[in-house]
Amino acid sequence: DIQMTQSPSLLSASVGDRVTLSCKASQNIYKYLNWYQQKLGEAPKLLIYYTNSLQTGIPSRFSGSGSGTDYTLTISSLQPEDVATYFCQQYNSWPTFGAGTKLELK
Amino acid sequence: EVQLVESGGGLVQPGRSLKLSCAASGFTFSNYGMHWIRQAPTKGLEWVASISPSGGSTYYRDSVKGRFTISRDNAKSTLYLQMDSLRSEDTATYYCATPTGSGLYFDYWGQGVMVTVSS
Repeated sequence: DIQMTQSPSLLSASVGDRVTLSCKASQNIYKYLNWYQQKLGEAPKLLIYYTNSLQTGIPSRFSGSGSGTDYTLTISSLQPEDVATYFCQQYNSWPTFGAGTKLELK
Repeated sequence: EVQLVESGGGLVQPGRSLKLSCAASGFTFSNYGMHWIRQAPTKGLEWVASISPSGGSTYYRDSVKGRFTISRDNAKSTLYLQMDSLRSEDTATYYCATPTGSGLYFDYWGQGVMVTVSS
């Protein structure tokens, strides 16, 4: 299985901050990388697919980048409603997910 | 509107069985592969099983092979997960999910159903 490592596990930031979340794969995943947002008690929501494609209806403050084994989700200006846990998922082989980054307000 | 609604969860003793269902609506169910993904309490997400649009191909993570069976009834637009020989480590919220795009990205999820394996 391809292992996905997310960092940090917990991130505290202020409203308006630029926030960067990282995801590292154990091998090259050729940009087959998705990002999900999960709020407490809810199902995950797809934010970004294939590294940098914004899912329909997702605010443009969310963006993704990366290649090879290293990928990033960026929130350009943090909003209160962005408090959630964020997961990356690779699909170069059968899907595996990272352990998540919990984003909280400072 | 796409909807996926899971049912069938609950508390079950180790070694026993449980069958989950996922009723789909709002899209042409028979055109899409379907997946079960689980999340243990306060843990991350874990892909469990997948089935092709026709039901002719199925895939499982190693830890559930031989114990879980994924199936579908396209006439009823319903996905199933038969879980046998349940273990405590199978305790989780189980989601059905589908990618409607060209890649394996899950754009639609059910609300999830809790399965607790405990004596």
